[in-house]
Amino acid sequence: GENVEQHPSTLSVQEGDSAVIKCTYSDSASNYFPWYKQELGKRPQLIIDIRSNVGEKKDQRIAVTLNKTAKHFSLHITETQPEDSAVYFCAASIGTGNQFYFGTGTSLTVIP
Amino acid sequence: DAGVIQSPRHEVTEMGQEVTLRCKPISGHNSLFWYRQTMMRGLELLIYFNNNVPIDDSGMPEDRFSAKMPNASFSTLKIQPSEPRDSAVYFCASSLTEAYGYTFGSGTRLTVV
Repeated sequence: GENVEQHPSTLSVQEGDSAVIKCTYSDSASNYFPWYKQELGKRPQLIIDIRSNVGEKKDQRIAVTLNKTAKHFSLHITETQPEDSAVYFCAASIGTGNQFYFGTGTSLTVIP
Repeated sequence: DAGVIQSPRHEVTEMGQEVTLRCKPISGHNSLFWYRQTMMRGLELLIYFNNNVPIDDSGMPEDRFSAKMPNASFSTLKIQPSEPRDSAVYFCASSLTEAYGYTFGSGTRLTVV
């Protein structure tokens, strides 16, 4: 089955700096890669996703890049703010209606 | 849209007792997923259903765990007998089978003492 690895496990950045979280996957059939943000004590919430037919997607301060050849994808947060502090999970899926395989999470702390 | 509704939000039970967790997916969604989250193991898929039919239950830890989806608007996850190592947050999520991405419920925090 699919194996998703995520790095780093913890990340601290100064407010205003950028943060990058990287994930790799093993199954070349995976074609959908969502990112979830989980604040303390709350549910994971989808913040951005990308499908295998595109290499990059951006939504305001958040962007995701995908390299299908290398089987890795990354989350980029620019101009970080304290409210960006949370645990971020990447995931991979082979398509609609199928399960997500999650990475182990990255705890991001933005220092004011 | 009320989102995915889980109950109870918190459950504390004694070892050996039966525990039932409940989930109501978003109306119209036909895929439902049960996840368990712990610090050690992260988010683990336990089982998922498409159109009320279990598709993959390979993540169910052992026979003590069972899940049902009797109709499109309700699912249960049962643990019998419960053990302290079952303590975790259990999330339910739902989606449209033909769509990408899914929505999580607020979770049930289970503590087995």
